[in-house]
Amino acid sequence: SQQGEEDPQALSIQEGENATMNCSYKTSINNLQWYRQNSGRGLVHLILIRSNEREKHSGRLRVTLDTSKKSSSLLITASRAADTASYFCATDAYPSYDKVIFGPGTSLSVIP
Amino acid sequence: DAMVIQNPRYQVTQFGKPVTLSCSQTLNHNVMYWYQQKSSQAPKLLFHYYDKDFNNEADTPDNFQSRRPNTSFCFLDIRSPGLGDAAMYLCATSRDSVERPYEQYFGPGTRLTVT
Repeated sequence: SQQGEEDPQALSIQEGENATMNCSYKTSINNLQWYRQNSGRGLVHLILIRSNEREKHSGRLRVTLDTSKKSSSLLITASRAADTASYFCATDAYPSYDKVIFGPGTSLSVIP
Repeated sequence: DAMVIQNPRYQVTQFGKPVTLSCSQTLNHNVMYWYQQKSSQAPKLLFHYYDKDFNNEADTPDNFQSRRPNTSFCFLDIRSPGLGDAAMYLCATSRDSVERPYEQYFGPGTRLTVT
């Protein structure tokens, strides 16, 4: 069963704008992770937020986590053409903590 | 640089002809994963190793097998590839951590074409 669901499925913005992607999940989690995948490449880990954290920053990335709503958001500020990629959230595959389940992803296009 | 390497990057095989994909890592991570990813879809976990312990996903077809002869190497064997097995195959590693699950490091993937 799918744990994470991203919203929107696709997003197109102009360079310099902010991009927000959302992820919802179903069961309690230890942590939630966000990954980026450029076309035809492997995934790259962006950020991990623990269940007892509410917000985390990394450069132009800001991730929030609301465990009461079972949701997370990824904000990319001042987007660049190089941010064009698919973004996936990944959550615990409860009851196993050795693996994660990836959501369907958001495809982001940043137009120069 | 420490990394996850997958060979080959592109593999073409014939329908029903066995094929092996390889993955190696220099990170010395004890957990290794194999994912299948089809176009515009999320990576789907096939199986993972925690050290030598093999963990198969319930919906992974018997056609898919794996070997991990040592910490650094892991292989994905597809015994009789069908057209539906054409996909990107991703290998990933992670270290053991009290705060599981930990971040995963991915290889560049092997794109498999079945003719």
